[in-house]
Amino acid sequence: ILNVEQSPQSLHVQEGDSTNFTCSFPSSNFYALHWYRWETAKSPEALFVMTLNGDEKKKGRISATLNTKEGYSYLYIKGSQPEDSATYLCACSGGGADGLTFGKGTHLIIQP
Amino acid sequence: KAGVTQTPRYLIKTRGQQVTLSCSPISGHRSVSWYQQTPGQGLQFLFEYFSETQRNKGNFPGRFSGRQFSNSRSEMNVSTLELGDSALYLCASSLAIGLAAGGEQFFGPGTRLTVL
Repeated sequence: ILNVEQSPQSLHVQEGDSTNFTCSFPSSNFYALHWYRWETAKSPEALFVMTLNGDEKKKGRISATLNTKEGYSYLYIKGSQPEDSATYLCACSGGGADGLTFGKGTHLIIQP
Repeated sequence: KAGVTQTPRYLIKTRGQQVTLSCSPISGHRSVSWYQQTPGQGLQFLFEYFSETQRNKGNFPGRFSGRQFSNSRSEMNVSTLELGDSALYLCASSLAIGLAAGGEQFFGPGTRLTVL
């Protein structure tokens, strides 16, 4: 079972500012990394799935990078908006039979 | 295209009872995964089914079981309920052959189970 860590646990950001947070995982046993956004009272929404070292993915103002050699991924949000307020989860699979292991999430609050 | 549906949305049971939760995936999706969300533990993987076969399993006791039908609908069963089983149970469907294949997952709204 992988140990997936996310930091920070929570984050308050002013509207319009850019921000980023981290997901760390064991580099020795990695197959894929998933990022999800989970808004209150809604279902988790898939943002990105990345498998290759050096992967960079972008969706609107949100982007993510992956470093499998050192075991981390960054999620960036450019020009934060109130609708970006949510919990951002990352999850890793090691390619085995353990499925996905989730981090505890980063709770992002955008302040107007 | 209809999303992932879960029934029931809310459920109250007492200790010792058993419960069955249902999940209907997005049409065409053959992989269904189940997760438990609790405040203390976060989101934890229960199991994944593909083509009626369990492909992956998380670290949960044998009281938690599941199955998948030929139409890809899945059920999850919890026997001998304990207070600690109170949680939000989410299912997610995917086109991918397995979570390890890196497929995008689409989550349902969840079933909120309360054990008294």
